[in-house]
This record gives sequence, structure tokens and C-alpha cells, in this order.
Amino acid sequence: GAVVSQHPSWVICKSGTSVKIECRSLDFQATTMFWYRQFPKQSLMLMATSNEGSKATYEQGVEKDKFLINHASLTLSTLTVTSAHPEDSSFYICSAPEARNEQFFGPGTRLTVL
Amino acid sequence: RKEVEQDPGPFNVPEGATVAFNCTYSNSASQSFFWYRQDCRKEPKLLMSVYSSGNEDGRFTAQLNRASQYISLLIRDSKLSDSATYLCVSDGSSNTGKLIFGQGTTLQVKP
Repeated sequence: GAVVSQHPSWVICKSGTSVKIECRSLDFQATTMFWYRQFPKQSLMLMATSNEGSKATYEQGVEKDKFLINHASLTLSTLTVTSAHPEDSSFYICSAPEARNEQFFGPGTRLTVL
Repeated sequence: RKEVEQDPGPFNVPEGATVAFNCTYSNSASQSFFWYRQDCRKEPKLLMSVYSSGNEDGRFTAQLNRASQYISLLIRDSKLSDSATYLCVSDGSSNTGKLIFGQGTTLQVKP
């Protein structure tokens, strides 16, 4: 099946720093990618839709200036958590729909902000 | 009220047992439904899509009842390897690829 990769798989950073997470579709092109966040023992929550060549669409309550999304090419979307704080510590997962509309998820990035 | 609701469990069952998970959704315009499996600290993986006619894949059977806005997953002859969190997912009536996840139901199969 199609493969989506994420980098890094885990990151620990100090409060106030910015962290960039990459999501790549390895063997297919994706004009749209989705970013989710999952806190412990909770559901995956959609944060935003990343659109190649245009601005991302954010879900209600997600600060677009804090979570910067750039869909630079048909195989790469990046999520930058700016001025990270401990409450941003979470599991960030991206997904991309393949041609038959099945969603493929990246392996996730575990962010810990000290 | 959450758009997709599940009993979080945990469900603790012995090997070989049959276990059923239920899920309800609030958006009657939702079109597509899925069951995903998520192992601890991993990404979710598609287990099966859910259709009104019901569908079966080996030991797994999924069913959708649109009138009651209810989805089910039945696992027969549980294996130790079935231990995971099962996520009920809808498309939330959107045709954009967005997915709405339930909280997940945790299954622990004991030897």
C-alpha cells in the first residue's frame, strides 16, 4: 500500500522554541494532506487541512499563527509548532488520501515540550 | 456531544471470545464510515470500511445502521494480537477527505 512518512518520529524541545514536522507521501502525490493531534487516551482531532499551492484550512479553535502549515510540493507538507509550550506536547499525525481515496497515515511525531 | 461516540472500555476478554463494539454518530449527513485499529503509540491503520449491507473480513464483521446512526464491529475467536484500540471513524458528511474519530475502544485479549 501507499506509504506516508513523518520526520522526526519524536522530538523534545524547550519551551519557547519552534519545531518543524515533515510529512511526505513516498509513492504517490497528494494535493491535500491532513494534520491531526492526539493527546493521551483521547481521540485524534483534526487540526487542519494542508492544500498544495494554497493556504491551509484550520479547524475551529486551532491557531493558524501558532501551527504554521506549508504544503510545498505534491509530496511534502510541513507543520511548524511555533513558540511551543508544554501544553503543545502531543502526538502529531499526518495523513494523505491516495488515488482511491483511502487515507494513509504517517507514523506520527511525539512532541514533548519541557 | 461528540460527533462520534464510543465506549472507551477497556474490554478484557479471554482468547477465543467474541466481542462486539458499538459506535454512534450524530451527523446524519455522514456518508462513509470506517473502523481503524491503533496500537499503543502508533498511527491508526484501516481495519475495514463499513457498509449498510454489512461486510465481513475473516473474523471481523462490521455493520452500519443508518436509521439508528449506529455502527458495530464484531470480532470472533479473539486472538492475543487483536489487543489494541479500535477507532470508529466517519467522514462527517464532508467530501474533502476529513475524518472524524471516536475516542476509541480498548480491547485487551487475555490468554
